[in-house]
Amino acid sequence: DAKTTQPPSMDCAEGRAANLPCNHSTISGNEYVYWYRQIHSQGPQYIIHGLKNNETNEMASLIITEDRKSSTLILPHATLRDTAVYYCIALLYNTDKLIFGTGTRLQVFP
Amino acid sequence: DGGITQSPKYLFRKEGQNVTLSCEQNLNHDAMYWYRQDPGQGLRLIYYSQIVNDFQKGDIAEGYSVSREKKESFPLTVTSAQKNPTAFYLCASSNAGMANEKLFFGSGTQLSVL
Repeated sequence: DAKTTQPPSMDCAEGRAANLPCNHSTISGNEYVYWYRQIHSQGPQYIIHGLKNNETNEMASLIITEDRKSSTLILPHATLRDTAVYYCIALLYNTDKLIFGTGTRLQVFP
Repeated sequence: DGGITQSPKYLFRKEGQNVTLSCEQNLNHDAMYWYRQDPGQGLRLIYYSQIVNDFQKGDIAEGYSVSREKKESFPLTVTSAQKNPTAFYLCASSNAGMANEKLFFGSGTQLSVL
């Protein structure tokens, strides 16, 4: 699986957009990019995933660069409940396992 | 409600003791996974199972054992051979195969050594 690199921590003001970057420069053409988040002492929660095109759901938007070497998760209007560790994972199509890194700790402040 | 149930939420182990963590899912998922998380760290894969009566080692399987006798259950035993068992253990499930499928996680079990 491609290695992903994320900043260890970020801050965001409540109500503002949170933009979480992820580098995956070694990603191959059939590797999906997944985002999960983990609120303290809970199980990770799926947010969104994509392959080439930008994706949007009720939780977030995922912007993938044209060369697919990086992506950005956007939480359009961050709330205090969005404070969590966010994991970016590049997953090879049809592999058996999902490998998590250390993620980005997002702190949303009032 | 559909989901994954892990029990107990907190577990204490004595030296030389085996303990078993329970994981049950009613999502009708084929695949189930066990992860270990140490403080401030990401998740590391212990074991996974894609189908009943079959399972594979993950990256840190030493000192652990699993069984998959039923589709809905995937218990993890932490054996006495695991010398540093204190961690947060997470169970997850998904439909068969990882492509374009998301993982559903339980709420975790915190294991501590007395």
